Amino acid sequence: GQQLNQSPQSMFIQEGEDVSMNCTSSSIFNTWLWYKQDPGEGPVLLIALYKAGELTSNGRLTAQFGITRKDSFLNISASIPSDVGIYFCAAAPNSGGYQKVTFGIGTKLQVIP
Amino acid sequence: GAVVSQHPSRVICKSGTSVKIECRSLDFQATTMFWYRQFPKQSLMLMATSNEGSKATYEQGVEKDKFLINHASLTLSTLTVTSAHPEDSSFYICSAPSPLGYGYTFGSGTRLTVV
Repeated sequence: GQQLNQSPQSMFIQEGEDVSMNCTSSSIFNTWLWYKQDPGEGPVLLIALYKAGELTSNGRLTAQFGITRKDSFLNISASIPSDVGIYFCAAAPNSGGYQKVTFGIGTKLQVIP
Repeated sequence: GAVVSQHPSRVICKSGTSVKIECRSLDFQATTMFWYRQFPKQSLMLMATSNEGSKATYEQGVEKDKFLINHASLTLSTLTVTSAHPEDSSFYICSAPSPLGYGYTFGSGTRLTVV
C-alpha cells in the first residue's frame, strides 16, 4: 500500500534551535497534513497543505507541499520545551474531506532546555 | 469548533469481554468517521471507515466481526472490540473530516488494556 517515509525518526535539540523534518512518498498525494501528538492524546492538526508548492506558516511552524506532490517538510523555528512531542506527516490522495489518510511513522522531538 | 469527543479515555477489561468506544462530533455532523489503532511508538494505522447509515469499510486484515463499527447518527460512531484478547491492547483513535475544510479532527484516544 501507500507509504510515507518520514525522517528523522527522533531528534534531540537545544532550546532555541530550529528543527526540520520531512516526508517523502513514491506516490502522488494532493493533501499533506502535519500533526503533533502528545503522549496519551490524539493528534492535533498543525498545518494543512492543499496546493503543490504551497508554503504555509502557523506561528513558529512552516510547512511546504513539494512541487512534485511527493514530499513535504515541516520546520519549527526557535524551539521551546513545549514543542516536545511526536510529529506526524499525513497525506491523502485528494483534497476532499472523506479521503483515507496515510500517516508517516512520526518524528519524536525532544528539546533540551 | 470541530471537536470530536472520545470516551472512555482508558479502559481495562478482562480477556473475552467486549468493550465499546464512542466518538461524538460535538458541534458538527460527521457523516464519516475513521478509526485508527496505534501501537506503542508506532504510527496510526487505519482500521476502518464508518459511514452514517451504511456499513463500515474495513481495511485489509482487520476482522469486521471482531471490531464492530456502528455509525447510527450524524454525531455518533462506535467501535466495539468483541471477545477482547491481550493482543488487542492498543490506543484506538477516531477521526472525522473537519467541517472547517481543514484537515481531520481527532478524538483524544482510548487506551485499551486487556488482561
